[in-house]
Amino acid sequence: DAGITQSPRYKITETGRQVTLMCHQTWSHSYMFWYRQDLGHGLRLIYYSAAADITDKGEVPDGYVVSRSKTENFPLTLESATRSQTSVYFCASSKGGSYNEQFFGPGTRLTVL
Amino acid sequence: GDSVTQMEGPVTLSEEAFLTINCTYTATGYPSLFWYVQYPGEGLQLLLKATKADDKGSNKGFEATYRKETTSFHLEKGSVQVSDSAVYFCALSAGNDMRFGAGTRLTVKP
Repeated sequence: DAGITQSPRYKITETGRQVTLMCHQTWSHSYMFWYRQDLGHGLRLIYYSAAADITDKGEVPDGYVVSRSKTENFPLTLESATRSQTSVYFCASSKGGSYNEQFFGPGTRLTVL
Repeated sequence: GDSVTQMEGPVTLSEEAFLTINCTYTATGYPSLFWYVQYPGEGLQLLLKATKADDKGSNKGFEATYRKETTSFHLEKGSVQVSDSAVYFCALSAGNDMRFGAGTRLTVKP
């Protein structure tokens, strides 16, 4: 089915472990985004990508790494997970920059013990 | 930096009541303004948007007007339904960055 998917939907890991969250979109949108959602903070931008091989930091990039070797995929890696990274992570895509409508995936709930 | 402030919830209304969710923004340039809605267990979906001052965005009976003089983009609906129960986010964009408010949870009771 066309759309934007995220995997896994739920993940429990331990402090210090590496975790990769996957995001895949089938619309060939140029832009992709990673957000985290925390109570009282709304959504905060972690990283975004304007095209394959082009990525840039958002508001809260520390502790995260992204890559975009293909237009349709935008994985997010936590190199050494910390408890403060327990959150719900949303991937989104859009045709253009943030002036355009963003289409969101269903989210990944990550718990770091 | 650019930011959005929206009224804290939760908001509980009876069916057919009038809804207002306040949103104000701070921006150095001329941002576009959005309302997104999140239903339980789902990602966010665009509800409506406005790209310049005095624009009115509307969708599914919801409306919001971009007010530059008061830096506001309040969300309104004349008669809410149980199916409108969700979390509503005000957001602004400037360049490649989008800033979201904290979200307002709306519960509509029959």
